[in-house]
Amino acid sequence: GEDVEQSLFLSVREGDSSVINCTYTDSSSTYLYWYKQEPGAGLQLLTYIFSNMDMKQDQRLTVLLNKKDKHLSLRIADTQTGDSAIYFCAAKGSSNTGKLIFGQGTTLQVKP
Amino acid sequence: DTGVSQNPRHKITKRGQNVTFRCDPISEHNRLYWYRQTLGQGPEFLTYFQNEAQLEKSRLLSDRFSAERPKGSFSTLEIQRTEQGDSAMYLCASSLEGLKGYTFGSGTRLTVV
Repeated sequence: GEDVEQSLFLSVREGDSSVINCTYTDSSSTYLYWYKQEPGAGLQLLTYIFSNMDMKQDQRLTVLLNKKDKHLSLRIADTQTGDSAIYFCAAKGSSNTGKLIFGQGTTLQVKP
Repeated sequence: DTGVSQNPRHKITKRGQNVTFRCDPISEHNRLYWYRQTLGQGPEFLTYFQNEAQLEKSRLLSDRFSAERPKGSFSTLEIQRTEQGDSAMYLCASSLEGLKGYTFGSGTRLTVV
């Protein structure tokens, strides 16, 4: 069935780059998303990428997509303490579905 | 644009009681989604509306769960005869057909005691 997997935890020092990885199983996924969740809050959309793209950059965020390997990554440049949160990868299937399949989330800890 | 609004923020209920949550999407968004998130997990899809039509329902949405969006604006999610396993954060999201971003609300945290 459809599945999205992420590593559970990443710790970096302030100012370093963070790379959060995600793999998905549904090869028909049309869009892939990165969301950020802070404690007690809802999900904030960070960025998304269409499946026919291999890279998207938005300020400090770079998304890389390897469609052949079904691998998605989010790179955060110059990571700040305010970036500490849980990051979720999500995949959307065909254009007819409204369903996003989420991974378990990666907790990013940024040490000063 | 005030974002997606969910009420209440927190709900504590006794097992066996019925509960209802409300979601007000972004006003121009015609699509509305309900998700459930348990501790340490990612959100799981429950159901999706386009305008007032309920187009998809997850297997997770048992007979005790019902969602409505009567006028294509706000939506309600009702859980009947709550069980302890229903304790979770219930998230609502909305989007505009043709645009790809889903905007989530802050959620309603349900605790069944």
